[in-house]
Amino acid sequence: EAGVTQSPTHLIKTRGQQATLRCSPISGHTSVYWYQQALGLGLQFLLWYDEGEERNRGNFPPRFSGRQFPNYSSELNVNALELEDSALYLCASSPGQLFILNEKLFFGSGTQLSVL
Amino acid sequence: DQQVKQNSPSLSVQEGRISILNCDYTNSMFDYFLWYKKYPAEGPTFLISISSIKDKNEDGRFTVFLNKSAKHLSLHIVPSQPGDSAVYFCAADSNYQLIWGAGTKLIIKP
Repeated sequence: EAGVTQSPTHLIKTRGQQATLRCSPISGHTSVYWYQQALGLGLQFLLWYDEGEERNRGNFPPRFSGRQFPNYSSELNVNALELEDSALYLCASSPGQLFILNEKLFFGSGTQLSVL
Repeated sequence: DQQVKQNSPSLSVQEGRISILNCDYTNSMFDYFLWYKKYPAEGPTFLISISSIKDKNEDGRFTVFLNKSAKHLSLHIVPSQPGDSAVYFCAADSNYQLIWGAGTKLIIKP
């Protein structure tokens, strides 16, 4: 069974540009989560999608946005890129509509975004 | 304000000995905690969890201890093996999202 897949693996952009990151969850999983891991920091929660709807959002500016498609895959868009957006962006999926106790997150390998 | 803290960025342990990774939290409302392990170029993978109604949970070589009064949890790995070399994250469940620590890099020396 395929795990969570993310593309691209690496992405290099310049300040002010837009970045689009993609994620395909494990088959049967309806929830997709996006996290940012900047160097030396823990994972910072960005967004949670379930059944095509945004369910929760972390403490990030509106230029971080995304969507979930009918096939449950998801896209993260970062507009007006800033240098501090350079980080590893991780996508995770889980079964079920809610983040229920005892549910585990299954992570992809991430997209390393570098903003120059 | 870091609600989940892993104060040791790295830890080096001899193969076969016990590895103890620590995690502190500030919010007494957290009621579920998880440990994830991350190898380079891979996403984190779930290791073990503990609910606040317990003070210990064991799974093979891995045991997590929870001290609610001290707001402290620890992960014990016995015996440590070379494949345990990775970054370990603790996380706390808070209102439909996980709050993560910054991670501890565990190095197992042969």
